[in-house]
Amino acid sequence: EAGVAQSPRYKIIEKRQSVAFWCNPISGHATLYWYQQILGQGPKLLIQFQNNGVVDDSQLPKDRFSAERLKGVDSTLKIQPAKLEDSAVYLCASSGTLRVSQFFGPGTRLTVL
Amino acid sequence: TQLLEQSPQFLSIQEGENLTVYCNSSSVFSSLQWYRQEPGEGPVLLVTVVTGGEVKKLKRLTFQFGDARKDSSLHITAAQPGDTGLYLCAGDPNAGNMLTFGGGTRLMVKP
Repeated sequence: EAGVAQSPRYKIIEKRQSVAFWCNPISGHATLYWYQQILGQGPKLLIQFQNNGVVDDSQLPKDRFSAERLKGVDSTLKIQPAKLEDSAVYLCASSGTLRVSQFFGPGTRLTVL
Repeated sequence: TQLLEQSPQFLSIQEGENLTVYCNSSSVFSSLQWYRQEPGEGPVLLVTVVTGGEVKKLKRLTFQFGDARKDSSLHITAAQPGDTGLYLCAGDPNAGNMLTFGGGTRLMVKP
């Protein structure tokens, strides 16, 4: 069974530029999560989707971050404009239904200069 | 905001030693999970504990959930270099699968 796929694996941009990350969850998984993991910290949940609807986005900085999952399968996370403090690994995870184990992708490491 | 504090933050030991990692909170969680993360990879689930006082064993790893479901511990017996990694605990406050992660314990086991 294929795992959670993410791309790109690495991205370097300058502050005020825009960037987008892509995630393809495990086939059949209805729930998708985006996390931000700053170096030396644990992951922080940004947004949770159930199919193509948002379950929780209370920790998403909505002035600059946006996420969508239009067809209930893959998802994109966008940052516009990026700030230095956005440098982090962005992890995508999926689970079959709520209350079931989450499977994580390898992450996208973003460096903002 | 429910916080999970892990201790120690860093641990460097010799192969064959035992160790315990702690995960503490002032909040109650419906379940708590332990993950291991290696460089360049996402966290991988090790175990989920649900019932207060529950103890689960995974080979040389023993996980315990506190009676009040506010804290947990991970004990590794006879650590091996392959145990090296970042150990993360994560709590689910209301069974909605919106996890709060601790800051992690970075373990290095030297041969």
